[in-house]
Amino acid sequence: GENVEQHPSTLSVQEGDSAVIKCTYSDSASNYFPWYKQELGKRPQLIIDIRSNVGEKKDQRIAVTLNKTAKHFSLHITETQPEDSAVYFCAAGDTGRRALTFGSGTRLQVQP
Amino acid sequence: DAGITQSPRHKVTETGTPVTLRCHQTENHRYMYWYRQDPGHGLRLIHYSYGVKDTDKGEVSDGYSVSRSKTEDFLLTLESATSSQTSVYFCAISEQGTSGRALTDTQYFGPGTRLTVL
Repeated sequence: GENVEQHPSTLSVQEGDSAVIKCTYSDSASNYFPWYKQELGKRPQLIIDIRSNVGEKKDQRIAVTLNKTAKHFSLHITETQPEDSAVYFCAAGDTGRRALTFGSGTRLQVQP
Repeated sequence: DAGITQSPRHKVTETGTPVTLRCHQTENHRYMYWYRQDPGHGLRLIHYSYGVKDTDKGEVSDGYSVSRSKTEDFLLTLESATSSQTSVYFCAISEQGTSGRALTDTQYFGPGTRLTVL
């Protein structure tokens, strides 16, 4: 089955700096890669996703890149703010499985 | 929040007792999922459903069963709860993707149920 590795497990940045979280996946059939943000005690919330027919997608301060050849994808957050502090999860899925496999999460702390 | 509710939101039970968690959606989505979340493991799929009475196992299905008799409800049952099943349980629903060739569904999560098995 699919295996998703996520790094780093914790990340601390200064407000205004950029943050990058990286994930690798094992199943070449995976074609959908969402990112979720989870604040303490809350549900995971989808923040951005990318599908295999594009290499990059941006939404204001966040962007995701995908390299299908290398089987890795990354989340980029620019101009970080204290409210970006949360746990971020990557995931991989495909139409055949109809389910997502999640990475283990990255705890991002933005220092004011 | 995508019209998903879970009940109960918190539950404390004893080892060996049966427990049923309920997920209810108002979106009429076909796909529903149960995940558990534990520190260091992210979210792991327990079972999912692709229609009424249609279910399949996920990666951590041992000790759990599910039922879906109506589109809007997906039940997760722990037949005989164990301490290793102490966790936060999230239900999710998915809508059909519309972008290009990749049609994997986008998933939205319910508020979660914190279960403690003593």
